[in-house]
Amino acid sequence: NAGVTQTPKFRILKIGQSMTLQCTQDMNHNYMYWYRQDPGMGLKLIYYSVGAGITDKGEVPNGYNVSRSTTEDFPLRLELAAPSQTSVYFCASTSERGVNYGYTFGSGTRLTVV
Amino acid sequence: KQEVTQIPAALSVPEGENLVLNCSFTDSAIYNLQWFRQDPGKGLTSLLLIQSSQREQTSGRLNASLDKSSGRSTLYIAASQPGDSATYLCAVRPRGTDKLIFGTGTRLQVFP
Repeated sequence: NAGVTQTPKFRILKIGQSMTLQCTQDMNHNYMYWYRQDPGMGLKLIYYSVGAGITDKGEVPNGYNVSRSTTEDFPLRLELAAPSQTSVYFCASTSERGVNYGYTFGSGTRLTVV
Repeated sequence: KQEVTQIPAALSVPEGENLVLNCSFTDSAIYNLQWFRQDPGKGLTSLLLIQSSQREQTSGRLNASLDKSSGRSTLYIAASQPGDSATYLCAVRPRGTDKLIFGTGTRLQVFP
């Protein structure tokens, strides 16, 4: 019963470096999301996907890219890391729009850009 | 634009007290509202999910209510324990969207 799995758990990047945050779910959920959480703040939506091959921007997409080639995986790419991207990143999934399902979250990736 | 507000931002209570956390939202057109718990440095754990047609949900010592017309939800914690110390987040899923909108959370500390 893995649910939503995120890797890595921690990462330190230098300014200008690139990396991919991995997210995979084993619940056959169509909807997947990437959020970031800054200290003392709520979660802000970066990108989301309603199914394989379909992605859309959230509230704070600048500096990030995503792809959704399979139902299970939804990686988040940072191309040129900046200090403003220091945050905790959460991946989440849910089954259907508007149906009686809540969201399942991963345990997060704590990213520091120095 | 849907906005979610949680009051208070922080709360400190002695063990054994019953307490209420508040969540308000600006647009009543929602599919559901979900309460989460977040421990320091950890992910989010879902506590309760209330559908737009429901008035409340209960799980153990937790009871969440929803008044959609007034844009309010409360999370009631009975007989609080030190293990309840965490940040509690509420989030709504607006109708017509595929997104979850979060409040900024209430940081709860229960001391022995």
